[in-house]
Amino acid sequence: GENVEQHPSTLSVQEGDSAVIKCTYSDSASNYFPWYKQELGKGPQLIIDIRSNVGEKKDQRIAVTLNKTAKHFSLHITETQPEDSAVYFCAASINDYKLSFGAGTTVTVRA
Amino acid sequence: DAGVIQSPRHEVTEMGQEVTLRCKPISGHNSLFWYRQTMMRGLELLIYFNNNVPIDDSGMPEDRFSAKMPNASFSTLKIQPSEPRDSAVYFCASSLGVIGETQYFGPGTRLLVL
Repeated sequence: GENVEQHPSTLSVQEGDSAVIKCTYSDSASNYFPWYKQELGKGPQLIIDIRSNVGEKKDQRIAVTLNKTAKHFSLHITETQPEDSAVYFCAASINDYKLSFGAGTTVTVRA
Repeated sequence: DAGVIQSPRHEVTEMGQEVTLRCKPISGHNSLFWYRQTMMRGLELLIYFNNNVPIDDSGMPEDRFSAKMPNASFSTLKIQPSEPRDSAVYFCASSLGVIGETQYFGPGTRLLVL
C-alpha cells in the first residue's frame, strides 16, 4: 500500500517567517495530495490540496508544490501567524477516498 | 451548517464492555468515513461508506469492530468487547461524493478503555 513520510515532526518558527513541511510518497499511481490542519481537540480540516496534473497551487499565505518524478510534495506557509500553530498532516491517495496520512508536523509559531 | 456531529465526545469504559460511537454526516453528503488516530499509528481509515453501503472495510482491525449506516444521516461504529489497545480518538468524516471531494472531519470521540 501507499506509504507517506513527513518531515520534520516538529517545527518552531518566529512569527512572520516561513514554514516548510515536506512529504514523500511511495506509490507513483497516487494522484491526489491534500494537506490537513488539526488544532488541539478538533478534527483535521483541509487547508489545501493538489492533483498530479498540477505542479503548484497557492491560496493566500499557503502554497503546495508537487514533484511527481521525485514523488514528493511540500507545504509552504508564508508570513506565519500565531494562529498557524497546529499539527499539519499531508496525505496521498490513488483513488481519492483512501487517504494515506503522514505522521504529522507540530508547528509552533513564536510571537 | 452544523458540520459532522459525533457523540459522545469522550468515553471511558472498562475492558470487555461494548462501546458505540455515533456520527451524523453533513446533510447531502453521500460518503462517510471512520478513522482512528493514535500516537503510534497516526490517522488510519477504518471503513468507508458510499450511499449507505460499506465499500471498503479493509482497515477494520478485527471482528470486534463493526460499523453500520442504516440511513444517510446516521452511522455507528461499535467495539465489542473493548480492549485497552482500542484507546484512541475516533473520527467520522463525510464528503459530497468520492472523486476529488473534500472530506470534512467531525470533532472526534476520545475513547479510553481501562
